[in-house]
Amino acid sequence: AAGVIQSPRHLIKEKRETATLKCYPIPRHDTVYWYQQGPGQDPQFLISFYEKMQSDKGSIPDRFSAQQFSDYHSELNMSSLELGDSALYFCASTIRRGHGANVLTFGAGSRLTVL
Amino acid sequence: EDKVVQSPLSLVVHEGDTVTLNCSYEVTNFRSLLWYKQEKKAPTFLFMLTSSGIEKKSGRLSSILDKKELFSILNITATQTGDSAVYLCAVGLTQGGSEKLVFGKGTKLTVNP
Repeated sequence: AAGVIQSPRHLIKEKRETATLKCYPIPRHDTVYWYQQGPGQDPQFLISFYEKMQSDKGSIPDRFSAQQFSDYHSELNMSSLELGDSALYFCASTIRRGHGANVLTFGAGSRLTVL
Repeated sequence: EDKVVQSPLSLVVHEGDTVTLNCSYEVTNFRSLLWYKQEKKAPTFLFMLTSSGIEKKSGRLSSILDKKELFSILNITATQTGDSAVYLCAVGLTQGGSEKLVFGKGTKLTVNP
């Protein structure tokens, strides 16, 4: 079965550089979430999109931006990278149901290392 | 502030032992409680609980939710070394018309042979 695809899997950047992470949700999923997980930390919600519109915003720094495209894939753009941005970035997708709770399926994550 | 607290943070057992992992929460607009298992990479889904008192079971794993006392437990019986992982509890909630998950810090389970 198709899963959530993230790329790249690993990325090494220097301080003040820019990075872009991509996420391809499970086919027919209309909602994408981005989470940041620092070493030994729990995943922290960054931002989510439903039907290509931003639906919720969490602890996403102003240096970061994201969008969801017409094919439902999403990109997380990170500029002026700092050492503290080194983390595992997870994308998760789901189908939003009207009144039911949603199960998120996570991608394998993109590990960003900022030197 | 929405809060999910897991305990213990870390647990080391021997194969064959039974373990109980705890998750308590204080959130507004609760929708669901989910358990995930995280090994090297992405969290993989275990259970979703939305109703109190109904046990969900999958093999040696089971989980139950108490919405009055605001907690859930995840039981693993006859543990195996392959159960070694971080177990994440997450609460799904609605906020401003959208949904998101708030995670606990996880319980790191180590099962020794």
